[in-house]
Amino acid sequence: KAGVTQTPRYLIKTRGQQVTLSCSPISGHRSVSWYQQTPGQGLQFLFEYFSETQRNKGNFPGRFSGRQFSNSRSEMNVSTLELGDSALYLCASSLTDDYGYTFGSGTRLTVV
Amino acid sequence: QQQVKQSPQSLIVQKGGISIINCAYENTAFDYFPWYQQFPGKGPALLIAIRPDVSEKKEGRFTISFNKSAKQFSLHIMDSQPGDSATYFCAARTSGTYKYIFGTGTRLKVLA
Repeated sequence: KAGVTQTPRYLIKTRGQQVTLSCSPISGHRSVSWYQQTPGQGLQFLFEYFSETQRNKGNFPGRFSGRQFSNSRSEMNVSTLELGDSALYLCASSLTDDYGYTFGSGTRLTVV
Repeated sequence: QQQVKQSPQSLIVQKGGISIINCAYENTAFDYFPWYQQFPGKGPALLIAIRPDVSEKKEGRFTISFNKSAKQFSLHIMDSQPGDSATYFCAARTSGTYKYIFGTGTRLKVLA
């Protein structure tokens, strides 16, 4: 059974650019969430999508956006990158309320 | 306030010993409390989880103890092994959502 797949694994971008990260959830999982992980702030919730609708959103600026497609695959986009956006971005999918997340291995974004 | 306080920040245990990690919360609108284990270069992996109507849950060497009145929960790792060396995160899910608040993590090192 395939896990949560995130691409790319590593990314280096220049300040001011934009970036798109991709996530393929476990087959059958309709809920996809995104988290930012940094040494200083830990794991912080970005947003959650279910059946192509954003159900929950964290406290991040509007530069962070996402979407989910009909096949449950999800993308997140960060525009006008700042140095502080350097982090590990984790995608997680979930089957139902009775189960916790299954996380992907993340995309390591470095902004220079 | 939606926050989960985790302690200690780091922990060193001898092989065969008991590792204990504690978390405390303030928001009573949490309904699900998972623990995650994260190895370097990997996303967090669900270890064990508990709901607030249960005081204890055991899975193999891992036990969650939950004290609803004190708003505290803890992870006990019995017979700790070097392979358990990882970062552990507690989390709490806001009722009716897939939004989780994570603790700041505990870096566990088990000495051989």
